[in-house]
Amino acid sequence: SQQGEEDPQALSIQEGENATMNCSYKTSINNLQWYRQNSGRGLVHLILIRSNEREKHSGRLRVTLDTSKKSSSLLITASRAADTASYFCATDAGNAGGTSYGKLTFGQGTILTVHP
Amino acid sequence: GAGVSQSPRYKVAKRGQDVALRCDPISGHVSLFWYQQALGQGPEFLTYFQNEAQLDKSGLPSDRFFAERPEGSVSTLKIQRTQQEDSAVYLCASSPRSRAYEQYFGPGTRLTVT
Repeated sequence: SQQGEEDPQALSIQEGENATMNCSYKTSINNLQWYRQNSGRGLVHLILIRSNEREKHSGRLRVTLDTSKKSSSLLITASRAADTASYFCATDAGNAGGTSYGKLTFGQGTILTVHP
Repeated sequence: GAGVSQSPRYKVAKRGQDVALRCDPISGHVSLFWYQQALGQGPEFLTYFQNEAQLDKSGLPSDRFFAERPEGSVSTLKIQRTQQEDSAVYLCASSPRSRAYEQYFGPGTRLTVT
């Protein structure tokens, strides 16, 4: 079963605009990750944020995490046509003892279309 | 270097047939995962190997699904007596011990059961 929800389900913007996607989850987590998927390159890891972090940056990506609200957001700044893809958040809740070994629970994804 | 590879890329099976899906992880990667992705959905965890040991198979949907990694490298996901609801993309991912949280995904095998 899916961990949570992402919104919007689909987002359409013009090149140069910013894109924001949100993710909510249900259980306590060790970390939260964002992945991109397109037909050309499959699923690609973008960024990871740990449960004790609140914000992280990587290039044009900015991720926030609010564990009290069990939610995260991914901001892509100055979008490009090449950013067109589906974006998934994935949570790592660890095993019963809390140790992380990489098992991920994915959301349903946001389809981003960037128009040139 | 070479990434995770999967074969076949596409498989059409008649209902009731058995299928075997192969995953070649990145050389030296200790952890290997299988996920199932239905159309329009996010991937769902099936099973996890650390080297040759299957440490978590909680996501396998039924006893028709079986996975192995006998020598700690190549893995095979076998589905017996396929059903239409098994139609999905099957993704394999691997990760190195030192950075188990970053997974490298293969291109997937699209299984269509008719």
